[in-house]
Amino acid sequence: QSALTQPASVSGSPGQSITISCAGTSSDVGGFDYVSWYQQHPGKTPKLMIYDVSNRPSGVSNRFSGSKSGNTASLTISGLQAEDEADYYCSSYTTSHTGVFGGGTKLTVL
Amino acid sequence: EVQLVQSGAEVKKPGESLKISCKGFGYRFTSYWIGWVRQMPGKGLEWMGIIFPDDSDTRYSPSFQGQVTISADKSISTAYLQWSSLKASDAAMYYCARLPLGPYHFDLWGQGALVTVSS
Repeated sequence: QSALTQPASVSGSPGQSITISCAGTSSDVGGFDYVSWYQQHPGKTPKLMIYDVSNRPSGVSNRFSGSKSGNTASLTISGLQAEDEADYYCSSYTTSHTGVFGGGTKLTVL
Repeated sequence: EVQLVQSGAEVKKPGESLKISCKGFGYRFTSYWIGWVRQMPGKGLEWMGIIFPDDSDTRYSPSFQGQVTISADKSISTAYLQWSSLKASDAAMYYCARLPLGPYHFDLWGQGALVTVSS
C-alpha cells in the first residue's frame, strides 16, 4: 500500500489556526473511521494526538481536532503556540488489516 | 508505570543477524497488540507490522513482509523484531508501540532503538 499524502510543510503565526490534510483512498482513509494523528518533536518519540478520526486522548489539548471527508482526513490546530512546532503524521487502518502512515508534515510556527 | 522499554542501540555489520526487544510494564501485555515502526534518518514513520502476544497473530505491511520477523513471548511480556541478514538500508530508529484492541492506532510508544549497520 502507498503512504498517505500529506503536505511537506505548513506554517502559521501564534494564535492562528492551521489545517494539515491527509489524502488516502477508499482502501484506507475512506474505508474506515480509523485515522490517527501523531506529533513528533525533533529527537523525540511520537505522541498520539487524535484517534478514530476525531477523538482526543486524555491530556491532549482541545486545540487539536480531527475530521474526515471522503478519502481525506484533516488535523486542525487552533490557537497556535510555539510548542506546537513539530512534525505531524497521519495514519490509517487499511483493508489489508494493517496500517499505513502519511509522509509527514513539518509545522513551523512563525 | 505503564511503559514500553526497548533494548539498547545496536551496531552491526551487513549480513549479521539481529533481534531487538520491547518489554511492556504496568498493563496486561496480552490484551494489546504491539507494533513496530521504522524511522530512517531524517525521514518519516513507516508501519512495519504488529503482533497480538496472546495468540501470536501477526500482520506485516507488504513493504516489510519477508524482510523482518516479529515475535513475542507473553510469559515475559516482551515482543521482538528480528533480521536474519542485515543490509545497510536497515539502519534506522525502530520504535515499538502498543495498539488497543482494533487494532487501529498506537497509544503508547517505546523510547526507540537505534540500529546502525556499517561495514
